[in-house]
Amino acid sequence: QVILREYVPALVKPTQTLTLTCRFSGFSLSTGGMCVGWLRQPPGKALEWLALIDWEDEKYYNTSLKTRLAISKDTSENQVVLTMTNMVAGDTGTYYCARTYFDGGADGGYFDSWGQGALVTVSS
Amino acid sequence: IVLTQSPDTLSLSPGERATLSCRASQSVSRGYLTWYQQKPGQAPRLLIYGTSTRATGIPDRFSGSGSGTDFTLTIGRLEPEDFAVYYCQQYGSSPPTWTFGQGTRVEIK
Repeated sequence: QVILREYVPALVKPTQTLTLTCRFSGFSLSTGGMCVGWLRQPPGKALEWLALIDWEDEKYYNTSLKTRLAISKDTSENQVVLTMTNMVAGDTGTYYCARTYFDGGADGGYFDSWGQGALVTVSS
Repeated sequence: IVLTQSPDTLSLSPGERATLSCRASQSVSRGYLTWYQQKPGQAPRLLIYGTSTRATGIPDRFSGSGSGTDFTLTIGRLEPEDFAVYYCQQYGSSPPTWTFGQGTRVEIK
């Protein structure tokens, strides 16, 4: 059974750096094709992909946020960490980590397992 | 690639058929078009991937179709638990990016 869970501070101040931790079980990021991504959703708004790290430690970022994001993994601990710098009020929302994988088939790029999400509020 | 979903809100009664549209600003590979369902306070749930393949445990009243820039999610007969927000998502491989539509809310009429 694949399980992911986000660990984030509920409140951060403007200009601070946010550190989000995703701990997962049921799969390994050392397995070929496996990836973990971070996504977010402002209150009442659509989903937005932020970043993703793959089994080979390749990292991909949303180009509009790239300068503020850094993703890393600890395969032995089954966790992925995302940092987001210079937080502003517009970064308030629910942050999700989710799994995707590429098995060489004709389809892919979908997130099949998601964490429950964690709300982050940016306020002074 | 920008994904535009229509309508923003669909008001229907249980038992009716729902047709949701997702239009892309550029052609999307059929293998990389996905639909999710999201209920209030919950994470998105994978419904359909590869345009038309139902995820594990998804009932067959959900179906997906389309190609190129136009994709459709159809719910054959709405059950009470189907009233939710639905998102389409595409994956672009060069470089890897994931883009979502703005969502369609299916509400009880």
